[in-house]
Amino acid sequence: EAGVAQSPRYKIIEKRQSVAFWCNPISGHATLYWYQQILGQGPKLLIQFQNNGVVDDSQLPKDRFSAERLKGVDSTLKIQPAKLEDSAVYLCASSSPAGGNQETQYFGPGTRLLVL
Amino acid sequence: GEDVEQSLFLSVREGDSSVINCTYTDSSSTYLYWYKQEPGAGLQLLTYIFSNMDMKQDQRLTVLLNKKDKHLSLRIADTQTGDSAIYFCAERYPGGYNKLIFGAGTRLAVHP
Repeated sequence: EAGVAQSPRYKIIEKRQSVAFWCNPISGHATLYWYQQILGQGPKLLIQFQNNGVVDDSQLPKDRFSAERLKGVDSTLKIQPAKLEDSAVYLCASSSPAGGNQETQYFGPGTRLLVL
Repeated sequence: GEDVEQSLFLSVREGDSSVINCTYTDSSSTYLYWYKQEPGAGLQLLTYIFSNMDMKQDQRLTVLLNKKDKHLSLRIADTQTGDSAIYFCAERYPGGYNKLIFGAGTRLAVHP
């Protein structure tokens, strides 16, 4: 079974530029998550989709971040304009109910963003 | 509140046991997780425990849960150099649908 795919793996941009990340979840997984992991910290949820609808975007800085999941499969996360503090690893995860109330999140390798 | 705390660093000798500790704040959390992150990689689920359990064992891994003290630990028996990584504790936040709150991670260094 293929895992969660993300691209690009690395991105370097200057502040005020825009950037987009792409995620392809595990086939059949209805729920998709975007996390931000700043160096030395644990991942923090930015946005969560159930199929193509948003379940939780309470920690997404909506003035500069946007995300979409068209057709309930792939997703893109965009930052416009980027700030220095956006330098982080952006992790995508997906999950699907597997019986009971437990639902494991499977993570992609992440996109490392450096804003100069 | 949402806060999961872990010690930042642990160094052990190869072959010894490692114990990584975590405290969480929300007593109504249903599931607690341990993830492993190797350099340049995403997070890999190691194990999880349901809140009505005290202990769960999976090969070299033993998870202990003390709900009264909101304390979770991960014991790795016979620690190997391949176990060197960052270990994250996470709680499933009761207020959201499958939302995970992560600690800052414990870096485990295994030396010969």
